[in-house]
Amino acid sequence: SQQGEEDPQALSIQEGENATMNCSYKTSINNLQWYRQNSGRGLVHLILIRSNEREKHSGRLRVTLDTSKKSSSLLITASRAADTASYFCATDTPNAGKSTFGDGTTLTVKP
Amino acid sequence: DAGVIQSPRHEVTEMGQEVTLRCKPISGHNSLFWYRQTMMRGLELLIYFNNNVPIDDSGMPEDRFSAKMPNASFSTLKIQPSEPRDSAVYFCASSPYPGPLQETQYFGPGTRLLVL
Repeated sequence: SQQGEEDPQALSIQEGENATMNCSYKTSINNLQWYRQNSGRGLVHLILIRSNEREKHSGRLRVTLDTSKKSSSLLITASRAADTASYFCATDTPNAGKSTFGDGTTLTVKP
Repeated sequence: DAGVIQSPRHEVTEMGQEVTLRCKPISGHNSLFWYRQTMMRGLELLIYFNNNVPIDDSGMPEDRFSAKMPNASFSTLKIQPSEPRDSAVYFCASSPYPGPLQETQYFGPGTRLLVL
């Protein structure tokens, strides 16, 4: 089964609203990353948060990490139609040597 | 930098044919990854290389799949013979970090494969 699982699977909001996506994982991690994938394109790295960090910001993005609950959230504030995409979390576990991706959350932002 | 380059972007072939997908990672990157993405299975890691050496190929579905990285600037993923269930988007990604701690990966645009 997947190490990282996003929730919800799909999210539809109006432009200007905030969007929150969650990622849960099963085992200890070194870091957790969020990626975005526009339809028909490759994944684009958004932000990386390390296991000893609790919160990180990048522009309109805010990522939190709760290692006690083995979960992370991605908040996109003041969403835009251009934010419409699928969002994936990827976890890097100790000694795994690779990232494991979840199934993604599909976000639709209506203009 | 041009980013990760993949070719072809689209491939349509008939069952039983050999398919070769190509990838040029970002110059200076030490790690290269091949992924497959389908609606049913999501994004699956097939194989990855560190410094041109295959490290983990446990994601390669069958012996019909093989991957090589003859040098730091080129990798191929080959499917022989191809089957309809191999239809998917195949992504190549590279990362500047070698070793067990993986960090940011840079993805190519993908090759959309359709096997009839």
